[in-house]
Amino acid sequence: SQQGEEDPQALSIQEGENATMNCSYKTSINNLQWYRQNSGRGLVHLILIRSNEREKHSGRLRVTLDTSKKSSSLLITASRAADTASYFCATVLSYNTDKLIFGTGTRLQVFP
Amino acid sequence: DGGITQSPKYLFRKEGQNVTLSCEQNLNHDAMYWYRQDPGQGLRLIYYSQIVNDFQKGDIAEGYSVSREKKESFPLTVTSAQKNPTAFYLCASSGGAWDSPLHFGNGTRLTVT
Repeated sequence: SQQGEEDPQALSIQEGENATMNCSYKTSINNLQWYRQNSGRGLVHLILIRSNEREKHSGRLRVTLDTSKKSSSLLITASRAADTASYFCATVLSYNTDKLIFGTGTRLQVFP
Repeated sequence: DGGITQSPKYLFRKEGQNVTLSCEQNLNHDAMYWYRQDPGQGLRLIYYSQIVNDFQKGDIAEGYSVSREKKESFPLTVTSAQKNPTAFYLCASSGGAWDSPLHFGNGTRLTVT
């Protein structure tokens, strides 16, 4: 079964609005990463947050991590049509740091 | 430019044939990975390699094989034993440390009929 589950599965918003995606996971992690995938392309790394961190920012991206709830959120502020993509969370488990396990993804559609 | 090259972008094969997907990186990364993605799904790990001449099975290794004879190359063979091989295959590499992000190629879409 998947380690990470994103919510919602799909999200549609207007340009300028904020988009929030959530990720829940099951077992203890070393870090959690967010990736973006444009249709038919490879994934691009967005941001990494370590298990001892609670919040990180990168440009219009804000990521939070709550290890007590085993959940993370990705906020994209002032969204643009170019943000339309699928967004995946991925975790490195604390007991196996060799591999990255991906969630199921959120499909974001931003309308101009 | 440094990056990961996957070839070909599209691949068509008849059922019962083995097929090899190419993945080359010039990022000098130690670790390389193969993931499979089905429509509307997340990524599932097939095989990974932390160092040359060594690799480990991921979550869905059955019906696949890999080799890692060179640091730059990590080809994936989809064998006839793979029951449902039609999918989008993604190769990635990383510096190998547990907090190194993955760099992905642009994928190979395999269709088996």
